[in-house]
Amino acid sequence: EAQVTQNPRYLITVTGKKLTVTCSQNMNHEYMSWYRQDPGLGLRQIYYSMNVEVTDKGDVPEGYKVSRKEKRNFPLILESPSPNQTSLYFCASSSKGLAGWEETQYFGPGTRLLVL
Amino acid sequence: QQQVKQSPQSLIVQKGGISIINCAYENTAFDYFPWYQQFPGKGPALLIAIRPDVSEKKEGRFTISFNKSAKQFSLHIMDSQPGDSATYFCAARDGAGGTSYGKLTFGQGTILTVHP
Repeated sequence: EAQVTQNPRYLITVTGKKLTVTCSQNMNHEYMSWYRQDPGLGLRQIYYSMNVEVTDKGDVPEGYKVSRKEKRNFPLILESPSPNQTSLYFCASSSKGLAGWEETQYFGPGTRLLVL
Repeated sequence: QQQVKQSPQSLIVQKGGISIINCAYENTAFDYFPWYQQFPGKGPALLIAIRPDVSEKKEGRFTISFNKSAKQFSLHIMDSQPGDSATYFCAARDGAGGTSYGKLTFGQGTILTVHP
């Protein structure tokens, strides 16, 4: 079954305590990305990766780090979390079809983070 | 700066009616325009997508209309059903020429309610 998994699903932490949210996909997709979802703001892309060792910033990268050492994994790292990073986070993976533009894309179930 | 503006914020439609959600963009480098459907407590799901050299794309009851000169695109849901009640997001990607993956920018979302 094609899927994107995220862990943990729920996390409560305190300001400044480093944390990592893992993301893994089993579809051999080249493209992976992280988003945060906040009420009234919709989804905003944090970082994306076009393949192993290739990453780039999305619209809201400040305070986040990512790495892509393996094709299947794309962890999101918060080195020093702050309350304004309280949000719902989604990881996604996708791959382009033979036509070169149409994508198959899957989102993970989300990670709800509360930073106190 | 919000590069993709979505309207309306919420929409109520009777069963069997047509739901129309609109998006406008500014960046002429966008070359991939997907729509997503999100149910409460779930991650977004890719619904349908279009590229700018096509004016319309239809998949079942869902149709994207694209107006390149006006820099607008819309989602039409024909014969709307209560099961279509969800949040819908438009998005646009700067594809760097269409052969690569670029940053994905989302609209703010539309909460659709279909009354039985």
